[in-house]
Amino acid sequence: DVKVTQSSRYLVKRTGEKVFLECVQDMDHENMFWYRQDPGLGLRLIYFSYDVKMKEKGDIPEGYSVSREKKERFSLILESASTNQTSMYLCASSRLGLTGHYGYTFGSGTRLTVV
Amino acid sequence: AQSVTQLDSQVPVFEEAPVELRCNYSSSVSVYLFWYVQYPNQGLQLLLKYLSGSTLVKGINGFEAEFNKSQTSFHLRKPSVHISDTAEYFCAVSESQGGSEKLVFGKGTKLTVNP
Repeated sequence: DVKVTQSSRYLVKRTGEKVFLECVQDMDHENMFWYRQDPGLGLRLIYFSYDVKMKEKGDIPEGYSVSREKKERFSLILESASTNQTSMYLCASSRLGLTGHYGYTFGSGTRLTVV
Repeated sequence: AQSVTQLDSQVPVFEEAPVELRCNYSSSVSVYLFWYVQYPNQGLQLLLKYLSGSTLVKGINGFEAEFNKSQTSFHLRKPSVHISDTAEYFCAVSESQGGSEKLVFGKGTKLTVNP
């Protein structure tokens, strides 16, 4: 089974801090995704990547950046954390060209609180 | 562009009652359809998917869903729910041919099973 591992389940950070959320997958998937999940708003795509060093903006990229230096790792960066970035962050991965067949595999999520 | 509508944001039911969670999609092309489940403070896991063939799809934990092309629906059902089915359920869609690598999600339905 594909495993997608998010390094932290819970994080508490202060306003203005630079925050790194890490995601690692172990099945050689080309596609990786970062979503945030808020009550009543569902899942909103922040960024995705379909290859090393490639990235594309999702629906809500403002205030975030990403890094993909290795195929298995996709990092989400909050340059200067703000309280409105308090949320559940979900990482997902899929095989290039086969998202439709197999869907995504998700990590367990990181619940970030910015105080 | 594709879209997914989950008609109910919250569904309360009693234990051992049947349940139906509704999902309608909009797409100009053929689609693949998915249901994911998210237990409290966890990531999403795949419940079932429709790719082709029989319109009735069976998934894990006794859930099933029926694809109805004419009504563009993919409703999720379970004949008798348990307390442990309390979770949030997400419907998602993907284009079946040459489509985007991204899934499009509905906003989710919170199922609460009461004793």
